[in-house]
Amino acid sequence: DAKTTQPTSMDCAEGRAANLPCNHSTISGNEYVYWYRQIHSQGPQYIIHGLKNNETNEMASLIITEDRKSSTLILPHATLRDTAVYYCIVRVGAGNMLTFGGGTRLMVKP
Amino acid sequence: GAVVSQHPSWVICKSGTSVKIECRSLDFQATTMFWYRQFPKQSLMLMATSNEGSKATYEQGVEKDKFLINHASLTLSTLTVTSAHPEDSSFYICSAVPAGGGTQYFGPGTRLLVL
Repeated sequence: DAKTTQPTSMDCAEGRAANLPCNHSTISGNEYVYWYRQIHSQGPQYIIHGLKNNETNEMASLIITEDRKSSTLILPHATLRDTAVYYCIVRVGAGNMLTFGGGTRLMVKP
Repeated sequence: GAVVSQHPSWVICKSGTSVKIECRSLDFQATTMFWYRQFPKQSLMLMATSNEGSKATYEQGVEKDKFLINHASLTLSTLTVTSAHPEDSSFYICSAVPAGGGTQYFGPGTRLLVL
């Protein structure tokens, strides 16, 4: 699996957009980019995934660069409940085991 | 949809006893379930892959005789921690993949404390 690199932590003001970057420079052509988040003391929650096109759902947007070597998860209007650790995972399919790195600890502040 | 439950949500037991944790997919059938373990301030570590009707596949360093996994139906997998010791205290999380494929969904986790 391609390895991912994420900042250890980030802060965001409540109501503002949170932009979480992820580098995956060794990604293969058939690997997807998945984003999960883990709120304290809970199981991970699926957010979004994409192959090469930008994706949007009710939770977030995923922007993947044209060369697919990096991506950005965007939470358009962050709330205090979005405080969590966000994991960027690259995998052929989420039906296979997922390898979790350190993730980005996002702190949304009032 | 796509809800995965775990029971119990937390358990405290004495050293030497066995503890069973259940993982259920509530609204879909799952041919594959995964068991992860998470220690404080660390990321999730895969313990084993559970396939319905067959033996589980364990990750390197995970003792199969200590962590017994049974996946007897398409909606239920169980993890039994046998002869638990304080170092087994951790947050155990399962996940399930719908039989038709797609995204992996996680349970809420079970916190185990061995005294």
